[in-house]
Amino acid sequence: DIVMIQTPLSLSVTPGQPASISCKSSQSLLQSDGKTYLHWFLQKPGQPPQFLIYTVSNRFSGVPDRFSGSGSGTDFTLKISRVEAEDVGVYYCMHTLQVPLTFGGGTKVEIK
Amino acid sequence: EVQLVESGGGLLQPGGSLRLSCAASGFTFSSNWMHWVRQAPGKGLVWVSRINGDGSDTTYADSVKGRFTISRDNAKNTLYLQMNSLRVEDTAIYYCVRFSPPVGWGQGTLVTVSS
Repeated sequence: DIVMIQTPLSLSVTPGQPASISCKSSQSLLQSDGKTYLHWFLQKPGQPPQFLIYTVSNRFSGVPDRFSGSGSGTDFTLKISRVEAEDVGVYYCMHTLQVPLTFGGGTKVEIK
Repeated sequence: EVQLVESGGGLLQPGGSLRLSCAASGFTFSSNWMHWVRQAPGKGLVWVSRINGDGSDTTYADSVKGRFTISRDNAKNTLYLQMNSLRVEDTAIYYCVRFSPPVGWGQGTLVTVSS
């Protein structure tokens, strides 16, 4: 199974400041089709998860452009250029390269 | 509008059975792999099972293999999860998800297994 490790476990950010979350996989998520199957989700308090970023760097419909994803192979990063109050919640990375699909443990983001 | 609506959750005792449903709309359901993902109270997300578009290919997490069965009715645009021999550790919110291409998640349905 591919292990997904997220850091940090939690993050306290001042509104307007940037934030960054790292996700590392135990093996490359690059598929033979050239795509890398790494995705990011945000789960706001009391809500289901929502797609933020799919295949490393593609923003899901309606996601603000302050969110960006980058990386390759086994190392990936989600960046929020200027954190807003509505960004609080738990962020998860996950892969869909092979079964079992696995998620990172989550990074809790709170506002200072 | 793409929509996934889960239903069928409830409270039951260990060893019991339950069938979850997920009604899909707004996309060509039969063309897509579909998945079940669960989240125990206060815990992270865990993939449970997947099924291909025509239902001929299914895969399960080791934790549910032999107890859960995923299926679909493409005529009804509905995904199912038959859950047998339920355990306390199966307590979770269950979500049906389409990952590729990505769509919004439903609200999930809560399954509570308790004596």
